[in-house]
Amino acid sequence: LAKTTQPISMDSYEGQEVNITCSHNNIATNDYITWYQQFPSQGPRFIIQGYKTKVTNEVASLFIPADRKSSTLSLPRVSLSDTAVYYCLVGDIQGFQKLVFGTGTRLLVSP
Amino acid sequence: KAGVTQTPRYLIKTRGQQVTLSCSPISGHRSVSWYQQTPGQGLQFLFEYFSETQRNKGNFPGRFSGRQFSNSRSEMNVSTLELGDSALYLCASSFLLDREGTDTQYFGPGTRLTVL
Repeated sequence: LAKTTQPISMDSYEGQEVNITCSHNNIATNDYITWYQQFPSQGPRFIIQGYKTKVTNEVASLFIPADRKSSTLSLPRVSLSDTAVYYCLVGDIQGFQKLVFGTGTRLLVSP
Repeated sequence: KAGVTQTPRYLIKTRGQQVTLSCSPISGHRSVSWYQQTPGQGLQFLFEYFSETQRNKGNFPGRFSGRQFSNSRSEMNVSTLELGDSALYLCASSFLLDREGTDTQYFGPGTRLTVL
């Protein structure tokens, strides 16, 4: 699986938009980009997945430039409950059953 | 649809003992993966089962083993427990088909194992 690099931590305030960028310079043609959210002592929760351009669901948006060497998770109008660790993962379908998690980004949302 | 369930949620054992953790995947999911999460090492892949066969294995000693039953439920066993085995053990399931496309793992709440 391609190695990913994310900021270790980020701070934000309620109501703001948060963008977390992940670098994956060695992404392969068959790789997809997946983001998970994890709260303390809970299992990671799937947020969004994409291959190229832009993907949006009810929770977040994922922006992927043409070269796919990075991706940005966008969380609109965050609340206190969005305080969590966010993981960016890159891999193909063969790797989806053996996910490789990095250190993730610890997002702290303050009032 | 019910999510992934894991039992027990909390467990306390002493060194040298063995432990068995259970995971029930989402209905219809055939692939079950296990992960260990510790503050020092983060989330690490243990192994993955599909159709009762172990298909992928992480870099863990043989004390860690697992199995999957015909109904896709899975168990994980750790023998001769060490202090360093204290961790959150997570199970994840996915609906894997032989097709091109993506797949998504859905995680359970985990079992918190404490080894004294």
